[in-house]
Amino acid sequence: NAGVTQTPKFRILKIGQSMTLQCTQDMNHNYMYWYRQDPGMGLKLIYYSVGAGITDKGEVPNGYNVSRSTTEDFPLRLELAAPSQTSVYFCASISQPGLAGQETQYFGPGTRLLVL
Amino acid sequence: AQTVTQSQPEMSVQEAETVTLSCTYDTSESNYYLFWYKQPPSRQMILVIRQEAYKQQNATENRFSVNFQKAAKSFSLKISDSQLGDTAMYFCAFMKPPGPDKLIFGTGTRLQVFP
Repeated sequence: NAGVTQTPKFRILKIGQSMTLQCTQDMNHNYMYWYRQDPGMGLKLIYYSVGAGITDKGEVPNGYNVSRSTTEDFPLRLELAAPSQTSVYFCASISQPGLAGQETQYFGPGTRLLVL
Repeated sequence: AQTVTQSQPEMSVQEAETVTLSCTYDTSESNYYLFWYKQPPSRQMILVIRQEAYKQQNATENRFSVNFQKAAKSFSLKISDSQLGDTAMYFCAFMKPPGPDKLIFGTGTRLQVFP
């Protein structure tokens, strides 16, 4: 298993450009998450999904969109990039939500995004 | 809303010594999970240890152990026999099951292990 994979690893965007951060997991996990980590801070939840076709907002959703057409993929879309979106983005999935002892989130390696 | 507080922005320890990282949280829930994640310079988030609130016994994983004080809402991480590879950011995180099992993170503690 490759686990949770993210592409690209690093990207520079100009203000107003758009891009999609890709996230794929091969563990057949239903729950997936997108977090952002600003310098010197902990991670904050942007969006999450509890299964294909179901998504919901997290703590900091403004400026982002997501979709979940398959169990494996959970892309994050930035439509009009702003300097405030400069951050490191992490995708995560969970092994067995609701099953005692199995609620552990596994993280991808992160995507570093710089908006200039 | 739940909050997680890590009051030590930075800590240092000499190799082979023991260090304790602090974490407090605020919740009105009785059933929840607590985690410590390690983030080395590679930025990968690595699970160190987890604790279920309904378990009285403190979790241990090799050199890592926790001191879970439910009434005090405290969840500290003890690293014994510190190694250079333990140098990293450490994040405490809270999760309230069942679903959607979102993680709420503290701001992290940067740990430097010196030879």
